[in-house]
Amino acid sequence: DTEVTQTPKHLVMGMTNKKSLKCEQHMGHRAMYWYKQKAKKPPELMFVYSYEKLSINESVPSRFSPECPNSSLLNLHLHALQPEDSALYLCASSQFALVRYEQYFGPGTRLTVT
Amino acid sequence: DAKTTQPPSMDCAEGRAANLPCNHSTISGNEYVYWYRQIHSQGPQYIIHGLKNNETNEMASLIITEDRKSSTLILPHATLRDTAVYYCIVRVPGTASKLTFGTGTRLQVTL
Repeated sequence: DTEVTQTPKHLVMGMTNKKSLKCEQHMGHRAMYWYKQKAKKPPELMFVYSYEKLSINESVPSRFSPECPNSSLLNLHLHALQPEDSALYLCASSQFALVRYEQYFGPGTRLTVT
Repeated sequence: DAKTTQPPSMDCAEGRAANLPCNHSTISGNEYVYWYRQIHSQGPQYIIHGLKNNETNEMASLIITEDRKSSTLILPHATLRDTAVYYCIVRVPGTASKLTFGTGTRLQVTL
């Protein structure tokens, strides 16, 4: 099973809402990632977790709060977002957090902030 | 990381070979070339990687020039399902897994 699943597929939220995105993999991978992709732009890395610990934060605003409760799950908690945060949020995993290991991506959650 | 340059778009007829170039003239000796693609409305997908020898797998072939300043991804018999944005990334394999996607090449495969 080489699948990364993400829920929900679509999410619409107001600027005062709190919501969470969920990502799951059962490949035994020890690295998980969050990327943000605006329309017609390439994905941009947000966070990297390695062995359930945050190893890279690409200067992401604190209104995005990642969490890795166990090796199979990755969450992204959202609070007080702005309309410009509307984007496709992609989760990925790899065996370890090194470039040589192929990253497997989920289908993404399309977020709209109103 | 070495900077990469790719043409913004290319067309290819179905059944023909698609040859996607990537320029990486500042590549260092220990950097590999990685290719990913992103089909519309899906997450990116790994295709292939290489250091200096030509590489082939079930999806594609990767040809790296002898001076390693450029490479070409070859899809030998393109199908409509290969329509996607193709990203060329240059990285040292043992470094932290920060994939930086450039603007890529949008390949349109047509009938």
